[in-house]
Amino acid sequence: GAGVSQSPRYKVAKRGQDVALRCDPISGHVSLFWYQQALGQGPEFLTYFQNEAQLDKSGLPSDRFFAERPEGSVSTLKIQRTQQEDSAVYLCASSLLQGTYGYTFGSGTRLTVV
Amino acid sequence: KQEVTQIPAALSVPEGENLVLNCSFTDSAIYNLQWFRQDPGKGLTSLLLIQSSQREQTSGRLNASLDKSSGRSTLYIAASQPGDSATYLCAVSQRSGNNRKLIWGLGTSLAVNP
Repeated sequence: GAGVSQSPRYKVAKRGQDVALRCDPISGHVSLFWYQQALGQGPEFLTYFQNEAQLDKSGLPSDRFFAERPEGSVSTLKIQRTQQEDSAVYLCASSLLQGTYGYTFGSGTRLTVV
Repeated sequence: KQEVTQIPAALSVPEGENLVLNCSFTDSAIYNLQWFRQDPGKGLTSLLLIQSSQREQTSGRLNASLDKSSGRSTLYIAASQPGDSATYLCAVSQRSGNNRKLIWGLGTSLAVNP
């Protein structure tokens, strides 16, 4: 596609519920990143994929967070047993080659845990 | 550890003014620096990407400069318009293990008043 597409745009989850957030990167982009942005803050790195390989997951805040990109294109970020502190905007970005040519971000998914 | 600072945190100007947003970073070992725009409740829109070997980039009324040795970048907006109102974020890309991470400032919230 022309841009990075994320769905859903908004998600309200009850505390303890599992959620899955989807990212459809730009076709041909090797690198895919997930970021978490709390209100009034800059984005914080969560995890990075190069094709289907998850090369860095050091930013995932807990083992409740899991990301996959099984065929090297679409990625899913899953959060199990959501907590209120998980409320944030989750941004996905893709890049042709590790950010050498910059990053293109999706519109994000705003997750609210109630 | 890389730290990115943006000054001012907020700026309110009348329409038509030329303005400068500042971004500083503590570690000059970067691959590139990217300026983004974020509208309320929206994702990030890339404005300008400056590679570490470059000194400036221009797009329309926007001009971004980079002085890597002093750890500074500025975003110059000419003849500001109300539609420029948004939060402007700068991010530097640097190596982290197998990854190139983006390290973010907290942004400058710009309001251009008609």
